[in-house]
Amino acid sequence: EPEVTQTPSHQVTQMGQEVILRCVPISNHLYFYWYRQILGQKVEFLVSFYNNEISEKSEIFDDQFSVERPDGSNFTLKIRSTKLEDSAMYFCASSEYGAGASSYEQYFGPGTRLTVT
Amino acid sequence: TQLLEQSPQFLSIQEGENLTVYCNSSSVFSSLQWYRQEPGEGPVLLVTVVTGGEVKKLKRLTFQFGDARKDSSLHITAAQTGDTGLYLCAGERDSNYQLIWGAGTKLIIKP
Repeated sequence: EPEVTQTPSHQVTQMGQEVILRCVPISNHLYFYWYRQILGQKVEFLVSFYNNEISEKSEIFDDQFSVERPDGSNFTLKIRSTKLEDSAMYFCASSEYGAGASSYEQYFGPGTRLTVT
Repeated sequence: TQLLEQSPQFLSIQEGENLTVYCNSSSVFSSLQWYRQEPGEGPVLLVTVVTGGEVKKLKRLTFQFGDARKDSSLHITAAQTGDTGLYLCAGERDSNYQLIWGAGTKLIIKP
């Protein structure tokens, strides 16, 4: 069964360093998303991406964050200068259809645990 | 601000018992999704409900979408230890890609 994959599973970085989190969405999906979940807290939406551009972003997704689809399979989240409060699980998701479709279902990857020290 | 409130936040019951988890909002959603999340893993989609009053069954799990599409429930019959996990609801707003998430119900089924 197709699934979303993410690498690495765990990333430890020092404050101020740049990190790139990688995702391979399900191959026939066209809509891609990043979420984060701070330990013990709600899942929080960061950004959605379609047709090589950002469709929607939350207030968490500030200038420190960027997303890219560098090729036909990968979808990346870059954090330019990490802060302690960026420590969280980051989940990538993809969907075949966008919002408003009768079958708007998002499938999540296993996550990358980011620890900023 | 559209909020999805889940209740209870935490539930611990014996194997074999029945339970219901609720997801409520004052806002209308186009659809609502239920996920289950294991510790250290991503949410796994269980079901999507779209039509007001819709009922979907997944083995011992029954999902219902309220008539007004503002609330939903998940009922588990004869709970098993394998049902243990965090159950999340997420609602779709019209014409937006962002899902609105509930805080989750942590369910523990004791043997």
